[in-house]
Amino acid sequence: KQEVTQIPAALSVPEGENLVLNCSFTDSAIYNLQWFRQDPGKGLTSLLLIQSSQREQTSGRLNASLDKSSGRSTLYIAASQPGDSATYLCAVSNTGNQFYFGTGTSLTVIP
Amino acid sequence: KAGVTQTPRYLIKTRGQQVTLSCSPISGHRSVSWYQQTPGQGLQFLFEYFSETQRNKGNFPGRFSGRQFSNSRSEMNVSTLELGDSALYLCASSLLATGSGEQYFGPGTRLTVT
Repeated sequence: KQEVTQIPAALSVPEGENLVLNCSFTDSAIYNLQWFRQDPGKGLTSLLLIQSSQREQTSGRLNASLDKSSGRSTLYIAASQPGDSATYLCAVSNTGNQFYFGTGTSLTVIP
Repeated sequence: KAGVTQTPRYLIKTRGQQVTLSCSPISGHRSVSWYQQTPGQGLQFLFEYFSETQRNKGNFPGRFSGRQFSNSRSEMNVSTLELGDSALYLCASSLLATGSGEQYFGPGTRLTVT
């Protein structure tokens, strides 16, 4: 069974700092990897989708990389802002549309 | 284009009752997945429907069931509610049948069982 781990569980940084969130998965036979953001009590907002054949994706200040062979992905956030404070979740799909989620990294950006 | 919508947003039920939650996917999306989110277990996959057929099912008891209609709208039902069923229930829709499509989530239904 696919297992997804996210490190660290919580992170607190001052505004303006660059940061990296980590995601690892046990089964490299994935269709894709998706990073989400979740604000307290809300649904999930898709940030980036990386297909299994891709190595990275970028959107604005966000950059996500994927190394299937080692079962790892990183989400890089440049010049962090207080509005980036949220829980960040990564998810991988093996087959169909069944996604396996990590437990998330809770990010706090201090003004 | 409207996003994924879920109704109701909040529900309070008593142990032993049953509940039905509804999800309307993004227009044109034929895949709908359901997830349960709790503080202790995180996000866990319940089931996925594509073109009215259940294709995948997570490790949940038979009290949890679902269906999808011809217009792709989906419902999930939980019978004989237990306190442990209190959770945020999220649905997601996807355009593609395979796992290579992007998942779009709704705002969720917060179920509280007393």
